[in-house]
Amino acid sequence: DQQVKQNSPSLSVQEGRISILNCDYTNSMFDYFLWYKKYPAEGPTFLISISSIKDKNEDGRFTVFLNKSAKHLSLHIVPSQPGDSAVYFCAASAREYGNKLVFGAGTILRVKS
Amino acid sequence: DTAVSQTPKYLVTQMGNDKSIKCEQNLGHDTMYWYKQDSKKFLKIMFSYNNKELIINETVPNRFSPKSPDKAHLNLHINSLELGDSAVYFCASSARDFPYNEQFFGPGTRLTVL
Repeated sequence: DQQVKQNSPSLSVQEGRISILNCDYTNSMFDYFLWYKKYPAEGPTFLISISSIKDKNEDGRFTVFLNKSAKHLSLHIVPSQPGDSAVYFCAASAREYGNKLVFGAGTILRVKS
Repeated sequence: DTAVSQTPKYLVTQMGNDKSIKCEQNLGHDTMYWYKQDSKKFLKIMFSYNNKELIINETVPNRFSPKSPDKAHLNLHINSLELGDSAVYFCASSARDFPYNEQFFGPGTRLTVL
């Protein structure tokens, strides 16, 4: 039973445009959400996070939005750059579960120049 | 300067063998983790140690045994390797204080069991 779902296996975007990656979760106990970026043959790299008490967090070109009522979060990348091409993982954690991360399956982002 | 390192990067071995993967972090973190990324690309936690003490132990076969000699190291030993153990194993670490959820990952060890 996947508690964190990324329903789009891949996304292709033109350089300079906005990339929107989506993530849904089912467990209402989750109180912290993270996005990780992963290049081939490397480990995931932390990108941005958001606490459940917020609905938006911004860091440069990256913004994460959280809609708790819909149990949905999204990552916006503006403007998209070719170097952003990677696999993006959404992850969620809950203090009650020892803060272990529960990951989605990932979305492959391709930014075309 | 590598923050979380793992050795080896690749490991090819026969069924039934015993193997170890080593992990070290130089971030001064208190908590370390092992994750498994299977063929479907899901990253799933296996174990978590806080200051050498086991705090998370997911449903993992007894053949997998983590060992933490100190808080900077968390090694994974696997006995009697099976074909289904083939995967990429990632080590990670995080700080004790908030944002403790922000885990830093090693480069991964690709284990292939023949």
